[in-house]
Amino acid sequence: DGGITQSPKYLFRKEGQNVTLSCEQNLNHDAMYWYRQDPGQGLRLIYYSQIVNDFQKGDIAEGYSVSREKKESFPLTVTSAQKNPTAFYLCASNPKRSLAGGGYTFGSGTRLTVV
Amino acid sequence: AQSVTQLGSHVSVSEGALVLLRCNYSSSVPPYLFWYVQYPNQGLQLLLKYTTGATLVKGINGFEAEFKKSETSFHLTKPSAHMSDAAEYFCAVILHSGGYQKVTFGTGTKLQVIP
Repeated sequence: DGGITQSPKYLFRKEGQNVTLSCEQNLNHDAMYWYRQDPGQGLRLIYYSQIVNDFQKGDIAEGYSVSREKKESFPLTVTSAQKNPTAFYLCASNPKRSLAGGGYTFGSGTRLTVV
Repeated sequence: AQSVTQLGSHVSVSEGALVLLRCNYSSSVPPYLFWYVQYPNQGLQLLLKYTTGATLVKGINGFEAEFKKSETSFHLTKPSAHMSDAAEYFCAVILHSGGYQKVTFGTGTKLQVIP
């Protein structure tokens, strides 16, 4: 079955450490997105990519980086510059020209905790 | 600017009672609107969407929503709540930015179903 796979499900980061969250999709979707979810704040957009080798900053990109070397993959790196990284991270995708028709497909998320 | 507001961060209903979750939007163009559901430690799942056409939209699990342009609302309803409906629900609207479409989410409403 097609879908989005996020790994790991739980991740622990030490102060000053960079960590990378994986997001892989086999839906043949062009666009991919990273959201951060905090209690009471809903989902906030970190980065998005409409095509391979291109990506755009979202509303809260500081302290994060991404790459899009393959259509299927959109990894997110949480750098040491992100001062409050503890959150639930969600990856999503959609066919480039049918966002309005289909909405997003989401992965099951990665819960990142700073220890 | 386009945004979405969900009224009530927590809603409690008795099993078998009507579920009503409120969503209001602001948009300078005809909106595309969505409702998503999230179970604990999982990603979001699309419940239903409004793009064009019939203003009463039916979704999965017996939910429906009505687009009311005059009230700028897209409230989610279900005639009879089940225990399995306990989850967090997000309203979302399409945001157009720099030629790309992005989804802007409300802050979510947690639904508690009381036996």
